[in-house]
Amino acid sequence: DAGVIQSPRHEVTEMGQEVTLRCKPISGHDYLFWYRQTMMRGLELLIYFNNNVPIDDSGMPEDRFSAKMPNASFSTLKIQPSEPRDSAVYFCASSLQRDHYNEQFFGPGTRLTVL
Amino acid sequence: AQTVTQSQPEMSVQEAETVTLSCTYDTSESDYYLFWYKQPPSRQMILVIRQEAYKQQNATENRFSVNFQKAAKSFSLKISDSQLGDAAMYFCAYRRVNTGNQFYFGTGTSLTVIP
Repeated sequence: DAGVIQSPRHEVTEMGQEVTLRCKPISGHDYLFWYRQTMMRGLELLIYFNNNVPIDDSGMPEDRFSAKMPNASFSTLKIQPSEPRDSAVYFCASSLQRDHYNEQFFGPGTRLTVL
Repeated sequence: AQTVTQSQPEMSVQEAETVTLSCTYDTSESDYYLFWYKQPPSRQMILVIRQEAYKQQNATENRFSVNFQKAAKSFSLKISDSQLGDAAMYFCAYRRVNTGNQFYFGTGTSLTVIP
């Protein structure tokens, strides 16, 4: 398996622009997680899905952030409008419920820079 | 919310020596899972080792082992025969049983390996 795939790997945009980050989880996994990593706040859980349904979005910072999972193999995290404080590395991770440990497998991350 | 504390922001070790990274957590649960993830400069989060709370035996994976002290709520990671490739950020994580797959991560320890 190719593992969790994220695109783009790097994104540079200007304040006010819309940004869409993409994630393809490991085939067969039924949980998907979006994280944000910054020096100041560490690794923060933004939202997670189970069987394509959002379970907990309490970590989404504000209405400018939205996430969707239209099917089991694709999810997006959108920021509209983007702001410089959104600059961070965004990770997607997936896991399998019936796996005993429910270990999370992470993608390589998207480094977002908002100018 | 669960709290995971890594009190050592930075650690260093001489190549071939042994180093221990500390992690404590706060929980009222009796069964749960604990993990150590490694994040090298490539940013990729990689699972190093995992432990289930009801298992008394400390987990071991090659040069990596844990010292799990359930009563003290401590889960330290020992790296033996440190190698240059062990230089990375290490994150401790906690997951409850049967209440979703949400992980709670510590703030990380940056490990430097000195040649």
